[in-house]
Order: sequence, then structure tokens, then C-alpha cells
Amino acid sequence: SQTIHQWPATLVQPVGSPLSLECTVEGTSNPNLYWYRQAAGRGLQLLFYSVGIGQISSEVPQNLSASRPQDRQFILSSKKLLLSDSGFYLCAWTSGPDRAKNIQYFGAGTRLSVL
Amino acid sequence: AQTVTQSQPEMSVQEAETVTLSCTYDTSESDYYLFWYKQPPSRQMILVIRQEAYKQQNATENRFSVNFQKAAKSFSLKISDSQLGDAAMYFCAYLIIQGAQKLVFGQGTRLTINP
Repeated sequence: SQTIHQWPATLVQPVGSPLSLECTVEGTSNPNLYWYRQAAGRGLQLLFYSVGIGQISSEVPQNLSASRPQDRQFILSSKKLLLSDSGFYLCAWTSGPDRAKNIQYFGAGTRLSVL
Repeated sequence: AQTVTQSQPEMSVQEAETVTLSCTYDTSESDYYLFWYKQPPSRQMILVIRQEAYKQQNATENRFSVNFQKAAKSFSLKISDSQLGDAAMYFCAYLIIQGAQKLVFGQGTRLTINP
């Protein structure tokens, strides 16, 4: 069965420090991958999505970037964190029959606090 | 642009009773998908139910059902026989089919179950 792993679960970083969040999907191939951010008490906002290795699309201009170095690996990065980057970051995937059904599945998320 | 609106920031219901959560959306597309996701305190996003816009029949999943009114662009979620484990944030979401299948989320409704 397919599973998705996100780490770390919680992260506290100082302003101006770099960031790297990782998401890995197991049990499937060629997934669509997504990074969402959830601000406190709000819904999710799509940040980046990828339909293949090295293919990244950005939804909103921001201080973050994404990369997909391998088929089932999606990384969210920043060179210098801002206070406004704090939030809950969720990775999601879809592939195969679930992509045909338009169903996305989410990881457990990373809570990022920038101080 | 597609938007999703959940007008009820909070709802509460007595255990074993029925509750309905509201959602409206705006789109010019004729073919799309709608979802309800549940986010318990663990913050894991869990798919509750999915509706295909071209299907007139309302989707049901056990105690969860929807009232899909395409002309009114309304997509409400009914939870029957509410259980304590149903307590969570509920998010309505619209899926953009074209391209990489992006989800647009509402702001969420916090559901409290009173014992």
C-alpha cells in the first residue's frame, strides 16, 4: 500500500536561517506531488506542485522554493526564513487510480515556527 | 478564479444528533470535483467524501452524505448519528481538473460534539 512520510514533524528555526522539509511517497510511481501551507485557523493554500522529476510549478510568489530530485521525493526549501513563513506545511500526493479519481492524500505535516 | 466559502466558522451538535456543514463555491467550469476533508487535532488531513460534478446523485459514505446543488453551487455535508470522534475541523475543497489537479480549500468549520 502507498504511504507518505514527512519530516520533521516539528521545527523551530530563527529568522534568517535556511529550511529544508522533506516528503517521500512509498508504494507508487510517477505521483503528482504537492506542498500546501496552513496558517493558524485557516484553510490550506497550495504552494508548489510537481508532475515529474525536476518539474516544479509555483502557485504564489514567496520566500520558498521546491525541488523534486527523485520520482517520489519532494523538498521544500528556503535560504533565509521570515517570520511570515511560520505555519503548518502539508505534503500531498496522487497517482494511478487515485489520480483518475482526483483524490489527493496528505502527509502528517510539519509545524514550522520561525522566531 | 475558483473560490470556496464556508460561512460557519464553528458548529456544535449533541452526540447522536445530525449536523449539516455548509459550503458554497464559485467556478465557471462545468466539470470538477468537490471534497470534504476532516482535520482532527492530530492535524492529519483525512478524506471524508468526494462528489463528481457530472453526477446528479449525492455521494454517501456511511454516516456522511452530501447535498450537492450544482446550479446553486452549494455542497453541504451532513453527518448523521454524530460521534465524539467526529470532532474536528472540516474543510470543503474544489479540485481544478485541468493540469495538475489542484485543490482550493475553504476556511474550515470547527465541529464540536457535545456528549
